[in-house]
Amino acid sequence: DAKTTQPNSMESNEEEPVHLPCNHSTISGTDYIHWYRQLPSQGPEYVIHGLTSNVNNRMASLAIAEDRKSSTLILHRATLRDAAVYYCILSRSGAGNTPLVFGKGTRLSVIA
Amino acid sequence: EPEVTQTPSHQVTQMGQEVILRCVPISNHLYFYWYRQILGQKVEFLVSFYNNEISEKSEIFDDQFSVERPDGSNFTLKIRSTKLEDSAMYFCASSVLRESNTEAFFGQGTRLTVV
Repeated sequence: DAKTTQPNSMESNEEEPVHLPCNHSTISGTDYIHWYRQLPSQGPEYVIHGLTSNVNNRMASLAIAEDRKSSTLILHRATLRDAAVYYCILSRSGAGNTPLVFGKGTRLSVIA
Repeated sequence: EPEVTQTPSHQVTQMGQEVILRCVPISNHLYFYWYRQILGQKVEFLVSFYNNEISEKSEIFDDQFSVERPDGSNFTLKIRSTKLEDSAMYFCASSVLRESNTEAFFGQGTRLTVV
């Protein structure tokens, strides 16, 4: 299974941009890059996903390296509500479809 | 906004008893999942379900576990003979398509405490 590597924790000031990195050097051509987050005492929440091109939605942006071996989740303006564990997950499409496999993620702290 | 609902929010059971955790997935979704999270640990995949059968399951999902879609709306996880180590948060999720290229919606979870 393709694995991801994320820093254990990061800290950000409120209202500043946050760049959360993820390395996935063994990614295959059919692996989608997903980001989920888990706020304290809640279930995981979808943030964004992509395959090759950068993606934007109302929550965040996903920047994918040209070789796809790394990606960065960008929160444009962190709020206190963004304090959560952020998971970068590879999910394989097609015949070898794999479920979401959560790692330890990055614990983001936001300072007021 | 549509959401996945789980009941009960907290269940306490005695070791060896059977428990059924209930979930109502989002109505037009076709794929359903159960995950669990032991306190302080990772979210772990248990099982995925599509077209009234299990499509994938993990090593954790052994013979003591079963899933069912008893009617058009509910999706249940049964643990036949609970053990202390089954104490965890159990999350149900659903998605329109297979989870690889879509978003999965998670419920708020059921906290299972086995005593």
